[in-house]
Amino acid sequence: DTAVSQTPKYLVTQMGNDKSIKCEQNLGHDTMYWYKQDSKKFLKIMFSYNNKELIINETVPNRFSPKSPDKAHLNLHINSLELGDSAVYFCASSQGWGAYNEQFFGPGTRLTVL
Amino acid sequence: GENVEQHPSTLSVQEGDSAVIKCTYSDSASNYFPWYKQELGKRPQLIIDIRSNVGEKKDQRIAVTLNKTAKHFSLHITETQPEDSAVYFCAASINNNDMRFGAGTRLTVKP
Repeated sequence: DTAVSQTPKYLVTQMGNDKSIKCEQNLGHDTMYWYKQDSKKFLKIMFSYNNKELIINETVPNRFSPKSPDKAHLNLHINSLELGDSAVYFCASSQGWGAYNEQFFGPGTRLTVL
Repeated sequence: GENVEQHPSTLSVQEGDSAVIKCTYSDSASNYFPWYKQELGKRPQLIIDIRSNVGEKKDQRIAVTLNKTAKHFSLHITETQPEDSAVYFCAASINNNDMRFGAGTRLTVKP
């Protein structure tokens, strides 16, 4: 299914580079998210975005910035990549901003920083 | 903020047995508790959820219970099958913009 899609699926890059991951949802949802899943499988929310309102997890370095050209897209830009940024990044979307809304995840992007 | 703890981190059962995964949360204002299943190399997918005004919910072989007083909730899988093998995540939220996940439980069902 392609309800929430991400590109690329794999991304291998050198330390210090700047890279972007794209996310698109065709569900007509209002809210989108970015999660980071580390090697221990721990899933942490990075950003929530709804109608131009952005909520940032305070632990996320400012090298990470989400950009939303429209409601169906939320891209993730990462500057000055570090080794510790290696992880799987999941985009997700949900119908609304409040609770009780199922979050639909994208397939993930495995980022490896060398 | 909300803190969710999940136990056990790994669980191995024989096919046909039951599996139980337990989670606790810290913020009494949390009102939504979904469970996600993540198969190897795949995305997390919602399998069941429960709201704070309900104590128990069942969907075929899967059930979730919630104890608001004790601030814990559990996932129960009966008659386990090899295809149930995956990592299971509990989560708690007040609003969807701050969903906090447990650390995950790797369930292995042995045929």
